[in-house]
Amino acid sequence: AQSVTQLDSQVPVFEEAPVELRCNYSSSVSVYLFWYVQYPNQGLQLLLKYLSGSTLVESINGFEAEFNKSQTSFHLRKPSVHISDTAEYFCAVSMTTDSWGKLQFGAGTQVVVTP
Amino acid sequence: EAQVTQNPRYLITVTGKKLTVTCSQNMNHEYMSWYRQDPGLGLRQIYYSMNVEVTDKGDVPEGYKVSRKEKRNFPLILESPSPNQTSLYFCASSLRLKVGEQYFGPGTRLTVT
Repeated sequence: AQSVTQLDSQVPVFEEAPVELRCNYSSSVSVYLFWYVQYPNQGLQLLLKYLSGSTLVESINGFEAEFNKSQTSFHLRKPSVHISDTAEYFCAVSMTTDSWGKLQFGAGTQVVVTP
Repeated sequence: EAQVTQNPRYLITVTGKKLTVTCSQNMNHEYMSWYRQDPGLGLRQIYYSMNVEVTDKGDVPEGYKVSRKEKRNFPLILESPSPNQTSLYFCASSLRLKVGEQYFGPGTRLTVT
């Protein structure tokens, strides 16, 4: 079984400052990794994913995440946040061998961007 | 427009009164799933379905039922709701081989008094 730990439940940040959201996972098998974003009063949306290949993956709105196998981490970063990045962010994992799967979510990190 | 729809969006009910939350997707996805979201707990899977007439329990199935008679619909049934089922519920769908890349509905906020 796999598990996901998001180390910060809430991250306050000023507009145009950088932000990092930490995610660690545990699994006995290889995994795929995802970040989802939930804007206020909306459902979740896929932000970015790591399946294979380059360990650094990017989203269209400036976020990036790096897969670190030795540290079993998949931290999310953005060099300069906007007010519109205020949302809850969820890290998630699924087993690569489990196409019948299950997507295991972390508890979420609430990002609040202030002017 | 590709989407997952849920109804109702908000529901207040009383203990023991059966209710159904509908979920429909227009993307011809094989996989559908129900989650509940509670503060500090993230999303927990209730039930999922890999295809028509194929359903299985997630992490927190107690007190819930589902059915998958058509590919596009996956209703969630609470036969005798209790206050501990007060939560925010999400339906999601994906291709069978891309379960990590799910499309979520807008959510249903349920209050059981």
